[in-house]
Amino acid sequence: AQSVTQLDSQVPVFEEAPVELRCNYSSSVSVYLFWYVQYPNQGLQLLLKYLSGSTLVKSINGFEAEFNKSQTSFHLRKPSVHISDTAEYFCAVSPIQGAQKLVFGQGTRLTINP
Amino acid sequence: NAGVMQNPRHLVRRRGQEARLRCSPMKGHSHVYWYRQLPEEGLKFMVYLQKENIIDESGMPKERFSAEFPKEGPSILRIQQVVRGDSAAYFCASSPSLNTDTQYFGPGTRLTVL
Repeated sequence: AQSVTQLDSQVPVFEEAPVELRCNYSSSVSVYLFWYVQYPNQGLQLLLKYLSGSTLVKSINGFEAEFNKSQTSFHLRKPSVHISDTAEYFCAVSPIQGAQKLVFGQGTRLTINP
Repeated sequence: NAGVMQNPRHLVRRRGQEARLRCSPMKGHSHVYWYRQLPEEGLKFMVYLQKENIIDESGMPKERFSAEFPKEGPSILRIQQVVRGDSAAYFCASSPSLNTDTQYFGPGTRLTVL
């Protein structure tokens, strides 16, 4: 079984400030790791994912996440946030083998203040 | 290429009524996952279906909930005799095959039980 913990339920930051959203997971099997973003009243969009290879993965809009196997973490970072980054962010894992059912964290609400 | 479609987007039911939620996967996708998002919580896996088969329903409540994915037409999540605790956002996701790492989410159906 897998579990995901997002350590912060809400993160308020000022525009152009850096941000880190924390995610830790536990699993008895190898997993893929994901960050999804949910804008208000919308569905989830895949932001980035780690499957294998380089432990640092990047999205097209400036976010990056680093897989740390020893600490079982997959924190999301952005060096300078924009108002449009205001959303809920979900960390998720799925087992590599078999049915790819996602296990989600509780979500982190990122609020960007001008 | 249309994304995952869900309808209705909003559904209001009185206690004891039935709710039917529909999900049309992306073109070429034969795998569908249903997730439920309770208020202030992350998404929880409910059921995984392929065409005409339920593969994994370990997250489905034992009573009142059922799901199907017929050979023709959308996947249906059916909730009989709804209760207030069923109020939530229900998301479906689709993928083209079993060992695909990425699921594509629909916009969700927000069910409100009065």
